[in-house]
Amino acid sequence: QVQLVQSGAEVKRPGASVKVSCRASGYTFTNYVVHWVRQARGQRLEWMGWISAGNGNTKYSQKFQGRVTISRDTFATTAYMELSGLMSGDTAVYYCARGRSICNGTICYFFFDYWGQGTLVTVSS
Amino acid sequence: SYELTQPPSVSVSPGQTARITCSGDALPKPFIFWYQQKPGQAPVLVIYKDTERPSGIPERFSGSSSGTTVTLTISGVQAEDEADYYCQSVDTISTCEVFGGGTKLTVL
Repeated sequence: QVQLVQSGAEVKRPGASVKVSCRASGYTFTNYVVHWVRQARGQRLEWMGWISAGNGNTKYSQKFQGRVTISRDTFATTAYMELSGLMSGDTAVYYCARGRSICNGTICYFFFDYWGQGTLVTVSS
Repeated sequence: SYELTQPPSVSVSPGQTARITCSGDALPKPFIFWYQQKPGQAPVLVIYKDTERPSGIPERFSGSSSGTTVTLTISGVQAEDEADYYCQSVDTISTCEVFGGGTKLTVL
């Protein structure tokens, strides 16, 4: 069965960086895209970006451009999300999710059929 | 930027029908996807491509579309359906995925 297992909770100081991992199993890792979505306490889901596990192409939300780096290790079937310049507003649960591609007319986009369990990142001085 | 609008809350009694709407202004309208999220848990996909139900999702969950509004309908609501529901689609200009603000479904 498809599983996405994320790394454990992190506590970081403002200005630091955090790197969260997402280990995939139960499917051919390189055939799909892995997305990262975060959720601050009591807030909506917020899409951050994705990586093509096959060719390594990435796309990031403009909000996080320059601060986020998504990477992958195909041998370890693991995706990573690194966020730098942490601020208190980055305190949130970070999820990875497998993206399923769908094309409608001239545009292709994704929805998320499997999710990791979430990783709480706390930014505090 | 593209926004998806959902009502903040919907309340129904057990056995009744709950309807949660998601409105966007993109044309042509992209598909809408729905996720259920219970407290402390990751979201679960319950409807994709406006109306399709993934395997394992109860038949009481359905989706419909009219114009630029998509509706998630839960027929015969059960206590276990109490959760936050999020719609998701894409900003057709930036081609970035977007989520609605979420709707808290309360089963009275």
